[in-house]
Amino acid sequence: EDKVVQSPLSLVVHEGDTVTLNCSYEVTNFRSLLWYKQEKKAPTFLFMLTSSGIEKKSGRLSSILDKKELFSILNITATQTGDSAVYLCVRRAQGGSEKLVFGKGTKLTVNP
Amino acid sequence: EPEVTQTPSHQVTQMGQEVILRCVPISNHLYFYWYRQILGQKVEFLVSFYNNEISEKSEIFDDQFSVERPDGSNFTLKIRSTKLEDSAMYFCASGGLAGYEQYFGPGTRLTVT
Repeated sequence: EDKVVQSPLSLVVHEGDTVTLNCSYEVTNFRSLLWYKQEKKAPTFLFMLTSSGIEKKSGRLSSILDKKELFSILNITATQTGDSAVYLCVRRAQGGSEKLVFGKGTKLTVNP
Repeated sequence: EPEVTQTPSHQVTQMGQEVILRCVPISNHLYFYWYRQILGQKVEFLVSFYNNEISEKSEIFDDQFSVERPDGSNFTLKIRSTKLEDSAMYFCASGGLAGYEQYFGPGTRLTVT
């Protein structure tokens, strides 16, 4: 089935905390998994993961994919109020149109 | 840095009216998409467009919807006869190569009254 499931749906932390966002997916013809950050409007690209076990890192954000267990995590260390957003896990299937299938997102709120 | 642009940012229309949402994708991109997000729900795929034709469309994209790339730079989504349930944020996205990330525009909020 074409499904992307994220957890938790909502998370409230204090500045400086570390958070882990989870994403599991069900697809037989997997190609890649992407993470986007959505603040007020458009999703902005964070990471694309295609291979298992290879960590992608950008500043305080990092992400890794496990293709055997069909999940990915997004870590944010030393959170800041500017990290408050909805984080979207998105998968893309092989072949075809390249369409993206989105999870519902995890709403992260970082309080000062 | 190149970006996807969309106009208008907000469109209010009456039920049954036609609307055209406009997008200017990143100039050297080849793949173009429309997605929508109903308030409080997840982003949903509508249609993809490559090589001047639709490559895939979702169940949402029925006969009321059409897309066009009229002049090599704009990419439009037309809804012929809007319904209340068409109220949503519509995002245009473009991608450079197969398998690469997609870049989203800021969206057009469509309100059907």
